[in-house]
Amino acid sequence: EVQLLESGGDLVQPGGSLRLSCAASGFTFSNYAMSWVRQSPGKGLEWVSSIWGNGYSSYYTDSVKGRFTISRDNSQNTLYLQMSSLSADDTAMYYCARSQLASPTRNAFDIWGLGTLVTVSS
Amino acid sequence: DIQMTQSPSTLSASAGDRVTITCRASQGIGTWLAWYQHKPGKAPKLLIYKASNLASGVPSRFSGSGSGTEFTLTISSLQPDDFATYYCQQYERYSTFGPGTKVDI
Repeated sequence: EVQLLESGGDLVQPGGSLRLSCAASGFTFSNYAMSWVRQSPGKGLEWVSSIWGNGYSSYYTDSVKGRFTISRDNSQNTLYLQMSSLSADDTAMYYCARSQLASPTRNAFDIWGLGTLVTVSS
Repeated sequence: DIQMTQSPSTLSASAGDRVTITCRASQGIGTWLAWYQHKPGKAPKLLIYKASNLASGVPSRFSGSGSGTEFTLTISSLQPDDFATYYCQQYERYSTFGPGTKVDI
């Protein structure tokens, strides 16, 4: 069964850091681009970052550039999101999502995880 | 950046109704548009990709159309399981989601 399982969400203080993980199973992980999408409380979905299947290139939404880093370990079938300088605006459920192909460009997200909750508060 | 809008923001309907949701892009995106269904506590689900292609396992009562800047998602006969929030997404350049349309009773 194709599955994505996020972990690492927690309560963190403003200015703090956190690393999210997404464990993939049931498919050849390196053949697919992966992304992080978040949903703040009461709000809609917001794309955060994407990375190619080979990990060579990545993209970020403007609000997280310089603070978040997406990466992947294809030998461990795991996607990561390293987050730093966190603020209350980063409070959200964070979902990992698989693209339909190895490129994150011009491919929809066909498999999603259940999400992991990040709360930024003092 | 490409901005997405959806209308209506909320839609009240009954089982058996035909439902149409509209999505507009701030600039032309060809047919690089997807539709997702999202229920509380669940993973978002891909319904339609490339504007009109039905994703695997999605019932045929869902359909999508449009190109350029205007798109629609239609549910031909609303079922109890369809009450959810629906999002459009452009993926012509990076990715942007619309604000969502909540379909409730």
